Amino acid sequence: GENVEQHPSTLSVQEGDSAVIKCTYSDSASNYFPWYKQELGKRPQLIIDIRSNVGEKKDQRIAVTLNKTAKHFSLHITETQPEDSAVYFCAATGGSGGSYIPTFGRGTSLIVHP
Amino acid sequence: EAQVTQNPRYLITVTGKKLTVTCSQNMNHEYMSWYRQDPGLGLRQIYYSMNVEVTDKGDVPEGYKVSRKEKRNFPLILESPSPNQTSLYFCASLPSWGNSEAFFGQGTRLTVV
Repeated sequence: GENVEQHPSTLSVQEGDSAVIKCTYSDSASNYFPWYKQELGKRPQLIIDIRSNVGEKKDQRIAVTLNKTAKHFSLHITETQPEDSAVYFCAATGGSGGSYIPTFGRGTSLIVHP
Repeated sequence: EAQVTQNPRYLITVTGKKLTVTCSQNMNHEYMSWYRQDPGLGLRQIYYSMNVEVTDKGDVPEGYKVSRKEKRNFPLILESPSPNQTSLYFCASLPSWGNSEAFFGQGTRLTVV
C-alpha cells in the first residue's frame, strides 16, 4: 500500500517567516494530495490540495508544489502568523489499490512565535 | 449542515469491557474510515469501508471491528479493550468519486485503564 513520509516533525519559526513542510509518497499511481490543518483540540480540516496534473497551486499565503517524477510534494506558508500554529498533515490518495481513502503522513507541529 | 458525528467525545473504560464508538454522516458519502491519532505517529488507518457491507483492514486493525450495515453509520467496536488502545480516534467520510476532501468527526478521546 501507499506510504507517506513527512518532514520535519516539528518546525519553529518567527512570525513573518516562511515555513516549508515536505512529504514523499511511494505509490506512483497516487494522484491526489491534500493537506490538512489540525488546531489544538480540533479535528483535521482541509486547507489546500493538488492533483497530479498540476505542478503548483496557491491560495493566498499558502501554496503546494508537486513533483511527480520524484514523488514528493511540499506545503509553503509565507508571512506566517501565530494563528498558523497547528499540526499539518499531508496525504496521498488514488493509488494502485483503487481506494480513495487517504494515507496520511505523521504530521508536522508548526509553532509560530510572535 | 453537512457533518460527521462521533459519540462519545470522551470515554474512560476498563480493560476487557466491550465498547462501541459511533460515527454517523449526513452527506450520503460512500467512503468512511477510522483513524487513531497518537503523538509522533500521526493518523493511522484502522479500517475503512467503500460501501454498505464492504469493509477492509487498514494499517492497524488488530483489536478492532467495524460494521457498515447502513450507508450513514460506521461504528468502531473494541471487543476487549487494552491500555495500548488508549488514543484519540477520528472517523472520516468522503464521496466515492474520490480525490476529494475527507470530512472528519470531532474525535473520541479513549482511555483504557
